[in-house]
Order: sequence, then structure tokens, then C-alpha cells
Amino acid sequence: EVLLAESGGGLVQPGGSLRLSCVPSGFTVSDNYMSWVRQGPGKGLQWLTIIYSGGGADYAGSVKGRFTVSRDTSKNTLYLQMSDLRVEDSGIYYCAGGYTTSWHNFWGQGTLVTVSS
Amino acid sequence: DIQMTQSPSSLSASLGDRVTISCRASQSVHNYLNWFQQRPGKAPRLLIYATTSLQGGVPSRFSGSGSGTEFTLTISSLQPDDFATYFCQQTYTVPFGFGPGTTVDVK
Repeated sequence: EVLLAESGGGLVQPGGSLRLSCVPSGFTVSDNYMSWVRQGPGKGLQWLTIIYSGGGADYAGSVKGRFTVSRDTSKNTLYLQMSDLRVEDSGIYYCAGGYTTSWHNFWGQGTLVTVSS
Repeated sequence: DIQMTQSPSSLSASLGDRVTISCRASQSVHNYLNWFQQRPGKAPRLLIYATTSLQGGVPSRFSGSGSGTEFTLTISSLQPDDFATYFCQQTYTVPFGFGPGTTVDVK
């Protein structure tokens, strides 16, 4: 069974930084495709970024230049480095993974990020 | 960016009802269309991928259809576990946007 576990969420002031982690079990980050998806309070799902098996990445326009997705092969861990955080970045951050770019069937339970002064 | 819309935004239905949810893309996404279910307080769950393929473990009462810009999720006979919010997502081109969601609640 594949499980994904996110961590690193918390309260941060506007303009601050935070790094989220996602550790899968039964799934290898570097061999597959992984994304981060955000859900604002009471809102829908917002796709943020994908890292491809080859190591390249794409981003949503709203986070490009502020967020960076990366992975550590030795730790089998996915990261999302977030900087210049804004109030509208608040929400639950989910990591998701799959064997293709086209659909991700493994999801974590999410970690809550609150950006507030 | 490709914009995704869904209709209706919410619907009320009874157990055993046939439910259909529509998803529209602002330009063709070919068959790169997925459907997710999300129950309150839970992570999204992939139901249908590539327009028509049922994810493993998903009941056969769920089905997907469509192509290009128009897609449909159908629940053939609504069950208690199906009261939830449903999202479509295109993965034809980045950013892989989601629709705004359709909430199915009890009539």
C-alpha cells in the first residue's frame, strides 16, 4: 500500500518562508511523478506544481518564482520550498504522486499552512 | 491557461438516484480528464482517469464519458458514501487545473 505523509505546515507571517515535506512509503519519489495541490479554506483544489521523473518541474503562474519543488533521492522525500508567502497562500497543502504525468492516484492527508500577521 | 468549469455547482439527490455532473474545458484537452471525489475533511480520491478509466477499487456505479471539451461523470445509483464534492481536472497541458467542484448532498 502506498502512503504519503506531508509535514512542515504551520503559521507564518506574510513575506515569510516555509518548507513542506512529503515522505512516501511504498513509492519512489525519483522514479515517478509528484505534485503539490492546495485547497484554500472552504475552497476548491488548486494545482501548484509537478516534478517529473526526469527532474524537471512546472508551476502554476500564481506561485512561479516564489515556490520551488525538489526531491531528495537519498531520503525519498519531496519538498516544497515556499517564500514571499501571502495571505492567499493559506490552506491545506496536499502532495500527490503517480506513475504518469496524467493522473496521480496517491494522495497524502495534507498539511495546513496559515499565512497571517 | 485552460479554464475548467463544472455544472451544477451543487445538487440534491436521493439514494438510488442517477446523478450526472458536467465538466467543460475552455479548449480541447483531448481525453486528459480526471475526476476526483472529496469527502469533508479528507484528501481527494481519484475516481476516473483519462476520461473513462475507472481507478482500481472504485465502484462500477461511477463512470466517465466525453471528449475534447465536454465531459460527464455519472453515478448510476447514488449510495450513502457518494455524498461528497466532485472535481474534474485536466492534465493535457500545464497548469493542470481543476474545476470548481460539484457538491452532492441529500435531498
